[in-house]
Amino acid sequence: SQTIHQWPATLVQPVGSPLSLECTVEGTSNPNLYWYRQAAGRGLQLLFYSVGIGQISSEVPQNLSASRPQDRQFILSSKKLLLSDSGFYLCAWSIRGKRNTIYFGEGSWLTVV
Amino acid sequence: DAKTTQPPSMDCAEGRAANLPCNHSTISGNEYVYWYRQIHSQGPQYIIHGLKNNETNEMASLIITEDRKSSTLILPHATLRDTAVYYCIVSLAGGTSYGKLTFGQGTILTVHP
Repeated sequence: SQTIHQWPATLVQPVGSPLSLECTVEGTSNPNLYWYRQAAGRGLQLLFYSVGIGQISSEVPQNLSASRPQDRQFILSSKKLLLSDSGFYLCAWSIRGKRNTIYFGEGSWLTVV
Repeated sequence: DAKTTQPPSMDCAEGRAANLPCNHSTISGNEYVYWYRQIHSQGPQYIIHGLKNNETNEMASLIITEDRKSSTLILPHATLRDTAVYYCIVSLAGGTSYGKLTFGQGTILTVHP
């Protein structure tokens, strides 16, 4: 069966510090991969998606970037965090060809102080 | 994507069926109805989706009206662990719609003993 893991689960970072959240999917090949953010009291916002290694599409302009160095690895990064980057970050995947049946990871809570 | 309307909250007794309604009167012919749920501080969990026929899996049943303007998610024997926010989403399954699931406010389902 397929599983998705993301880490770290929680982190507190100072303003201006870098960020790296990592996600891996097991049990499937060539998945579509996604990064979402869920800010407190707000809905889920799609940040990035990837249909293959090195292929990243950004949905909203922001202080973050994403990379996909391997087929089942997706990384969310920032060079300098802002207070507004705080939130619940979710990595997710879907089977190639089933774009909106999406399976989410456990999430990472980021607090920028 | 079409907009959905759900009641803000519902209660259900443990062991009884939970019937969660969703209105999507502006749904178009190629849009699917998806259901996800989110337990506090966890990533959303995919439950089920359908186009026009009723669907059933190990988690739930999805009943879509003939005119497709509304649907009902049925949890046949609710348990305390089913307490969560349930989201009804209407979205294209293909085309260029990668991961663009618009999560509204959802229905807070509380299952009580």
